[in-house]
Amino acid sequence: TQLLEQSPQFLSIQEGENLTVYCNSSSVFSSLQWYRQEPGEGPVLLVTVVTGGEVKKLKRLTFQFGDARKDSSLHITAAQPGDTGLYLCAGGLVGSSNTGKLIFGQGTTLQVKP
Amino acid sequence: GAVVSQHPSRVICKSGTSVKIECRSLDFQATTMFWYRQFPKQSLMLMATSNEGSKATYEQGVEKDKFLINHASLTLSTLTVTSAHPEDSSFYICSALHNSNEQFFGPGTRLTVL
Repeated sequence: TQLLEQSPQFLSIQEGENLTVYCNSSSVFSSLQWYRQEPGEGPVLLVTVVTGGEVKKLKRLTFQFGDARKDSSLHITAAQPGDTGLYLCAGGLVGSSNTGKLIFGQGTTLQVKP
Repeated sequence: GAVVSQHPSRVICKSGTSVKIECRSLDFQATTMFWYRQFPKQSLMLMATSNEGSKATYEQGVEKDKFLINHASLTLSTLTVTSAHPEDSSFYICSALHNSNEQFFGPGTRLTVL
């Protein structure tokens, strides 16, 4: 059973289009991170959200944490070829011992064509 | 931001040999580090949690005698793949826990076992 469902898993769009990636769970998270990974490299942290309903913006990227802290979304406006990569959401579960362990979504492979 | 290094970046070895991978937090101390394995175009699979000064905690299905973890200092964790076989070929990534809820990742190690 996947604790954190990420969708879509693959996305191929044209430069200039908008897109949204979703992460959903029935579990509550104390925090949720979004990472971007390029082939052959480690994931790079984009943002951490910790408060229900929180919205954070990073240039053309908008991250939202659901009110109940069970879901999150990443919206990219006017996508560019440089946005191409694997996007991963990851959450820390509430209630478990504070190990810092993260639950990862399946990842979204984004391809932005020029 | 927090920087994590990993060495080597890629290694090729013969079947039956052992390979050691190092993970270092460069500008912060990390009592907890994590080791992941990643297959092409897939998400990260947590192998174990490395705790400074104590035994690592392995995820279900991960052989602790095959994947030896040592976390001897607050900035260094090592993963040794013992008696490596071709099926161990993969991309191994470490991360270090920062501020109790954020993981910063190393650049990964590509292991190829011939």
